[in-house]
Amino acid sequence: DAGITQSPRYKITETGRQVTLMCHQTWSHSYMFWYRQDLGHGLRLIYYSAAADITDKGEVPDGYVVSRSKTENFPLTLESATRSQTSVYFCASSDRGIGNTIYFGEGSWLTVV
Amino acid sequence: QKEVEQNSGPLSVPEGAIASLNCTYSDRGSQSFFWYRQYSGKSPELIMFIYSNGDKEDGRFTAQLNKASQYVSLLIRDSQPSDSATYLCAVLGGGGADGLTFGKGTHLIIQP
Repeated sequence: DAGITQSPRYKITETGRQVTLMCHQTWSHSYMFWYRQDLGHGLRLIYYSAAADITDKGEVPDGYVVSRSKTENFPLTLESATRSQTSVYFCASSDRGIGNTIYFGEGSWLTVV
Repeated sequence: QKEVEQNSGPLSVPEGAIASLNCTYSDRGSQSFFWYRQYSGKSPELIMFIYSNGDKEDGRFTAQLNKASQYVSLLIRDSQPSDSATYLCAVLGGGGADGLTFGKGTHLIIQP
């Protein structure tokens, strides 16, 4: 049972480049989320999706784009990376059952230089 | 703006003692409350959730919820060195539509 897998796990990119972080889940969960985690800010919601083709902004959506053409995939794209987007990115999913628990992927460490 | 507040710590507790972690939240409409544990360099993992006032026990862990005071806590009995981690409190807001709001976490250190 693979759960949620993220790729790449580690990436260094240059300012202005486009970067896509991939997220794939095998549980058929309806909800998927992207969070970023930074020292001093904790985990902050970037975007979420309630189902295929349905996405909505979270707390910090600027500079990011998401899509969800298939239930199992939820890629996050940084259109023009900035140094302030250096962070750890966590994808998560939930089936909205049992107290609406969400489960996290292993994280993607992104450095923008 | 929904807020979840935690003392960042570090909270240092002797091995075998009870560790008490606290969390307050601003949204009175919040429905469910979660405690996650996060080891350094790892992703958050769920410890337990609670949505009714009172206590909920799971092994060495007890979650306590007081909606009137907008307060949730986590007690860890018989603390072990392996419990040393950052503990994240998370809240699902009213309507439940927009994901969890997390506190910044409390860094717990269990001293052998």
